[in-house]
Amino acid sequence: GNSVTQMEGPVTLSEEAFLTINCTYTATGYPSLFWYVQYPGEGLQLLLKATKADDKGSNKGFEATYRKETTSFHLEKGSVQVSDSAVYFCALTLIQTGANNLFFGTGTRLTVIP
Amino acid sequence: DVKVTQSSRYLVKRTGEKVFLECVQDMDHENMFWYRQDPGLGLRLIYFSYDVKMKEKGDIPEGYSVSREKKERFSLILESASTNQTSMYLCASSLSSGGRQPQHFGDGTRLSIL
Repeated sequence: GNSVTQMEGPVTLSEEAFLTINCTYTATGYPSLFWYVQYPGEGLQLLLKATKADDKGSNKGFEATYRKETTSFHLEKGSVQVSDSAVYFCALTLIQTGANNLFFGTGTRLTVIP
Repeated sequence: DVKVTQSSRYLVKRTGEKVFLECVQDMDHENMFWYRQDPGLGLRLIYFSYDVKMKEKGDIPEGYSVSREKKERFSLILESASTNQTSMYLCASSLSSGGRQPQHFGDGTRLSIL
């Protein structure tokens, strides 16, 4: 089947620390991969995406590389800020006809302390 | 920018009531989705629609129905609300293009059933 597994939270880091949130997936086809972020009290926002193997998605200092050999899409940021405190969701969708259903991980809550 | 608007941010209803959650998108997207978000369970797909008057069941459709009479509007209906439907409800939309397009989310409706 299709599923996404991401590291359990919560994660607490000091400002300027390095962030990694692990994400691995299983898919019956050839997926596109996404990271979404949810700030307190808001809906989900697309953070970055990658649609084929070895693609690197990047945005706001965050990066993730689509690794087909390890079925992974780990999220990284070199220096986190307090404003990065949020819940991060890894997700995949399959290239197919019809609606592009997303399969989500359970989310990882990040808290950055000054 | 894509705008997905959910009619209410917070809603309180009573057990047994019929509840309508409304979602409107302004980018002529073919696909629309309803999710619920619960702590520890991530996002779960309730229903989705890939065209006007078309609907498909997601992972947890029981106790819900949907309506899509116009392309821009997708309504979620709780036929007879129960306390276990207390949750955050998220609407999303996307272009139909074989899975490479991300979904765009509204800010969510936090629904409490008393």
